[in-house]
Amino acid sequence: QVQLQQSGAELMKPGASVKISCKADDYTFSSYWIEWLKQRPGHGLEWIGEILPGSGSTNYNEKFKGKATFTADTSSNTAYMQLSSLTSEDSAVYYCVKGNFSHWGQGTLVTVSA
Amino acid sequence: DIVLTQSPASLAVSLGQRATISCRASQSVSTSSYSYMHWYQQRPGQPPKLLIKYASNLESGVPARFSGSGSGTDFTLNIHPVEEEDTATYFCQHSWEIPPTFGGGTKLEI
Repeated sequence: QVQLQQSGAELMKPGASVKISCKADDYTFSSYWIEWLKQRPGHGLEWIGEILPGSGSTNYNEKFKGKATFTADTSSNTAYMQLSSLTSEDSAVYYCVKGNFSHWGQGTLVTVSA
Repeated sequence: DIVLTQSPASLAVSLGQRATISCRASQSVSTSSYSYMHWYQQRPGQPPKLLIKYASNLESGVPARFSGSGSGTDFTLNIHPVEEEDTATYFCQHSWEIPPTFGGGTKLEI
């Protein structure tokens, strides 16, 4: 069955970068968009953007341009999101989601603290 | 960006009764054929789960006590009869344009 397995929780210093991975199983990885979302208490769910692994095409929410960068490796069925210049505002749970929003990763908690 | 306003923010319903959650969009998210509105359930510590797609289509495996309706700017999620396991936060989300946005959520207590 379709699964998205995300990398583990990260504790980062302000100003650092973090790279989250999302490994997909049991579907044609290259053919479906991978969406990335952010969830913080009191801020709801925010769409960061998406990548189509087969072509590398991306779409970013204007709000996250310059903050998030998406890549994908079709040989390992893994998508990545790098977040740069981390601040406390980036502390959140991040999800990768298969493009029709039917399957979600378990979430990766990123905590930014000095 | 399209703003989705959910109401109420929280809701307490007795076992076996009906829960109704509303979602209003700041502009229409419907064509004559489709409404680009979807509903999710999120239990604590878990990712959201897709319940209803395109306003009224039940996702595979979702119990029939969940139903969705609406078009244009006004949409509704109904749960009847509610069960204990329905305690969760519910979100609406549109896919009319980029960026897709989510409602602020409705916390349901049974």
